[in-house]
Amino acid sequence: GAVVSQHPSWVICKSGTSVKIECRSLDFQATTMFWYRQFPKQSLMLMATSNEGSKATYEQGVEKDKFLINHASLTLSTLTVTSAHPEDSSFYICSAPTHRGNEKLFFGSGTQLSVL
Amino acid sequence: QQPVQSPQAVILREGEDAVINCSSSKALYSVHWYRQKHGEAPVFLMILLKGGEQKGHDKISASFNEKKQQSSLYLTASQLSYSGTYFCGTERGSGNTPLVFGKGTRLSVIA
Repeated sequence: GAVVSQHPSWVICKSGTSVKIECRSLDFQATTMFWYRQFPKQSLMLMATSNEGSKATYEQGVEKDKFLINHASLTLSTLTVTSAHPEDSSFYICSAPTHRGNEKLFFGSGTQLSVL
Repeated sequence: QQPVQSPQAVILREGEDAVINCSSSKALYSVHWYRQKHGEAPVFLMILLKGGEQKGHDKISASFNEKKQQSSLYLTASQLSYSGTYFCGTERGSGNTPLVFGKGTRLSVIA
């Protein structure tokens, strides 16, 4: 079964509103989670590293005030897209280090965001 | 730094073979291969850890040349289910570090 749960799977919102995406590790603790963004037919681009109990680390060019990340517990990280605009429409996907076997990251199922 | 993948896209008929390449300008100590179907999460295929290591999974295998900082993914006797976008990922560092993915190779297998 899925070990990283991401909700919602898809969301449609009006321009200017905020959208929250949740990422939960189901049977393990994740002190670190990674948020990626993927535009159509493009690669997964790392947005930020979410750290439990401390501030997130953002990649160059990613606006931290627009993409708010909160990692309040060892099993939950949230990404809030504030004042969303059509150009924020994308596939957002979270991941967590596995510490199991050869697979490095468990991925959530992704959230397709469409901003009208 | 983002690894470089080639080709960008390839179309195969069922039963044909394909090779996808991944290279990096930085030293590598591991390469991770994933396949992604449209609108879904990437699915882990395999990890290459040692220089020159070749691993296999069913009819999909990969090699890793640490000195050349390259990895290749080999798809043999392709099946329709192999269609998707293949990404190689490299680790930014040791420990809890993220993967940095290449731009992907879009593979289409047709009957």
